Amino acid sequence: GNSVTQMEGPVTLSEEAFLTINCTYTATGYPSLFWYVQYPGEGLQLLLKATKADDKGSNKGFEATYRKETTSFHLEKGSVQVSDSAVYFCVCKGAQKLVFGQGTRLTINP
Amino acid sequence: DSGVTQTPKHLITATGQRVTLRCSPRSGDLSVYWYQQSLDQGLQFLIQYYNGEERAKGNILERFSAQQFPDLHSELNLSSLELGDSALYFCASSVGQGQKETQYFGPGTRLLVL
Repeated sequence: GNSVTQMEGPVTLSEEAFLTINCTYTATGYPSLFWYVQYPGEGLQLLLKATKADDKGSNKGFEATYRKETTSFHLEKGSVQVSDSAVYFCVCKGAQKLVFGQGTRLTINP
Repeated sequence: DSGVTQTPKHLITATGQRVTLRCSPRSGDLSVYWYQQSLDQGLQFLIQYYNGEERAKGNILERFSAQQFPDLHSELNLSSLELGDSALYFCASSVGQGQKETQYFGPGTRLLVL
């Protein structure tokens, strides 16, 4: 079945730093890829998605590009804020179900 | 706010008991999915319903069952509860069940089994 491997956390950065959270996937066919974010005490929110190779998803300053040749979907942000502190999940969607990475806890210090 | 609602928000119960978690999908969404989030297993897919019919099963225990009603809300029933069932249970919904469709998550029900 499909699987997702995420960069292990936790990750701690200072405000305005550049963020990269690595994500690679294993899947048959052409899955859709997502990043979800979970803020403390809340449910999962869709951050961005890409449904085919070379698509770039973007939202709130975050970006990720669907790279089929490297089976990757790395999350980047040029300048993080304290409010970005959360757990980030890379997700692969095959036929129906979502397959989640283990999550990366991000803490941004002022 | 995703538009997906889940009740209750918190549930504390004892081993051996049975509980029911409820989910109302976003207006117009026909698919409902259930997920379990635990510290040791991470986020795992349990089961999916589409317009009242079961469509996919993941790592759902035999002690667990679910259904989707004609008004499209769904219930997840957990019985003979064990300590290890303590987790956050999420419901998600989507319009259909295509590969490109986004699933929208509810706020979750936190279950504590004592």
